[in-house]
Amino acid sequence: AQSVTQLGSHVSVSEGALVLLRCNYSSSVPPYLFWYVQYPNQGLQLLLKYTTGATLVKGINGFEAEFKKSETSFHLTKPSAHMSDAAEYFCAVSDQGSGTYKYIFGTGTRLKVLA
Amino acid sequence: DAGVIQSPRHEVTEMGQEVTLRCKPISGHNSLFWYRQTMMRGLELLIYFNNNVPIDDSGMPEDRFSAKMPNASFSTLKIQPSEPRDSAVYFCASRITGVPYNEQFFGPGTRLTVL
Repeated sequence: AQSVTQLGSHVSVSEGALVLLRCNYSSSVPPYLFWYVQYPNQGLQLLLKYTTGATLVKGINGFEAEFKKSETSFHLTKPSAHMSDAAEYFCAVSDQGSGTYKYIFGTGTRLKVLA
Repeated sequence: DAGVIQSPRHEVTEMGQEVTLRCKPISGHNSLFWYRQTMMRGLELLIYFNNNVPIDDSGMPEDRFSAKMPNASFSTLKIQPSEPRDSAVYFCASRITGVPYNEQFFGPGTRLTVL
């Protein structure tokens, strides 16, 4: 069965600093991985996803993530944080084992950007 | 496309009352998901449907919760009777099934407060 672990429920960075949000997964099959963002009082919005092929995936708003099979990781990065990046970020894996392809979400990381 | 539509956006009710939350998925999407989000438990999958048929309701917390999808364009989540611990934000999401890496599109959520 697939699972996702997000390290750090809260992360604070200064405006202009590197953003690094950590996600590790467990999967017995090649995983499909996702990052979603949730702005205050809104639903979740897809940032990027990894399916197959290129391991560095670029998403919206300058975010990118790298799939590292050897480390079972899919960390989210952005070179320079902006105040508007303050939100909660969720990593998810598609549950392929059951054949249902529902998502298994991590517990989320709340990003705070300091002026 | 209008995206996933949920109503109402906010609901305040008293303990013991029946609550009905509504969702209209994106046209053409044949999978629908209901999630609950709380500070304590994070994002939980309650139930999901494929082609209007409930596939997995293992996340439904109690018999007080029920969900229906009478047609491809409408779903309801009902709580009867409601309790204060049901207070949460409830999200509906939809996707096109069959491809495991198709993204889920989330609605804006319904914030439920049970007094």
